[in-house]
Amino acid sequence: SAVISQKPSRDICQRGTSLTIQCQVDSQVTMMFWYRQQPGQSLTLIATANQGSEATYESGFVIDKFPISRPNLTFSTLTVSNMSPEDSSIYLCSVNSGPSYEQYFGPGTRLTVT
Amino acid sequence: GNSVTQMEGPVTLSEEAFLTINCTYTATGYPSLFWYVQYPGEGLQLLLKATKADDKGSNKGFEATYRKETTSFHLEKGSVQVSDSAVYFCALSEAAGNKLTFGGGTRVLVKP
Repeated sequence: SAVISQKPSRDICQRGTSLTIQCQVDSQVTMMFWYRQQPGQSLTLIATANQGSEATYESGFVIDKFPISRPNLTFSTLTVSNMSPEDSSIYLCSVNSGPSYEQYFGPGTRLTVT
Repeated sequence: GNSVTQMEGPVTLSEEAFLTINCTYTATGYPSLFWYVQYPGEGLQLLLKATKADDKGSNKGFEATYRKETTSFHLEKGSVQVSDSAVYFCALSEAAGNKLTFGGGTRVLVKP
C-alpha cells in the first residue's frame, strides 16, 4: 500500500482567505483524488488529478474555488479559495495502489474557517 | 448515477455481540465494493474489498459478501470488541482505479 502524507494536518483560517493543502505519496501514482468530509458527513469527491493534465471536477465543485496542481507523479496540492465557514471540513487526498488498485487515503487536513 | 446506501447509526453494542451493517448499492455496471473504517481521530483505512459477485472480503474478523442479486455488501463480525468502535463506510468503484462513491457512514459504539 502507498504511504500518504498531508500538510498541514489542521488549520484555522479567517473567512476570505485561501489555504493550500499538500499531498505527498511515497511512490509514483497516475491518479490522485481529493475528497471533502464535512462534519459528521460522508466523503464527497471534489476532483480527480492526473499528472500533466487539468483536474476533473465533480458536479458542484469548480476550479476557481478549488484549484488543483499535479506537478509530478508523487505530489499534488488543493487550494481552498476565498473561504467561508461552510468550507470547514476535513480534506483528504487518496491514491490507487496495489494489484487491485485499491484506494488509500492520507490522514486528512482538518480545516476550520472562522 | 452510482449510489450507496447504508444503515444509519449510531449502532450501540455490548462487547462480544454480533455486528451487522447493511449496505446496498446502485450501479450501472459491475462495481468493486469496499468497506472502509475510520477510528476516532484517525484517517480512513481500507477494511476489506470484493471485486466480483459472490466474492467474500474478510479482514480483522470482519466479513462481507458481494451479492449481485440483492445489490448488497453487508458487513458482519461475529464478536465485536471495544476497539471496533469506529465509523464504517461502504463504498463502490465502477472500475479498478476509479473514483469511489461512499455511503453515509455508520457509527458503531461497542461498550464493555
